[in-house]
Amino acid sequence: DGGITQSPKYLFRKEGQNVTLSCEQNLNHDAMYWYRQDPGQGLRLIYYSQIVNDFQKGDIAEGYSVSREKKESFPLTVTSAQKNPTAFYLCASSDRRGGTDTQYFGPGTRLTVL
Amino acid sequence: AQSVTQLDSQVPVFEEAPVELRCNYSSSVSVYLFWYVQYPNQGLQLLLKYLSGSTLVKGINGFEAEFNKSQTSFHLRKPSVHISDTAEYFCAVRSTGRVGGGYNKLIFGAGTRLAVHP
Repeated sequence: DGGITQSPKYLFRKEGQNVTLSCEQNLNHDAMYWYRQDPGQGLRLIYYSQIVNDFQKGDIAEGYSVSREKKESFPLTVTSAQKNPTAFYLCASSDRRGGTDTQYFGPGTRLTVL
Repeated sequence: AQSVTQLDSQVPVFEEAPVELRCNYSSSVSVYLFWYVQYPNQGLQLLLKYLSGSTLVKGINGFEAEFNKSQTSFHLRKPSVHISDTAEYFCAVRSTGRVGGGYNKLIFGAGTRLAVHP
């Protein structure tokens, strides 16, 4: 089955630690995205990548880093510089061919800082 | 720049009653419009989308939405809801153009929590 997988589903981190969230897709999509979701708020874009080996900052990139070495994978690292990392993180991908760029989402990772 | 306003943060409704979740957008250019549903502790699932053509769009799970360009609205409706429709619903908008091959951001509303009661 084609889709987007995120792991782990739940992640606990101590303050001062870096953690990496995994996102993999087998939809053959060129573009991938990371969003952060806080209670009662919409989604905020952290980073996006339109093509392998290229990525751009979104609206709230501070304290986060990404890489895009393979088309299928777009891992997100939450660094110790992120002051309030507890949130639900969503990865998405889209097919840029055709122009509509409809985004499809993974199941999410809930990060809690202890 | 685009923006999206979901007019109700919460909508309570009884099972088998009709429901409308309201979405208004602001944009100076033509747009694509989307509705997503999010069940607790899950990712977003695409319900339906308006790209062009007929202004009445049918989606999954019996939902439909109507694009009204003059009122800049894209309200989501279902004639008879079920308990399993309890979830958060997000409206999103994106401009249709892609200047210089760049990325046009998908703008989300803050969400509407639909609570279906027996």
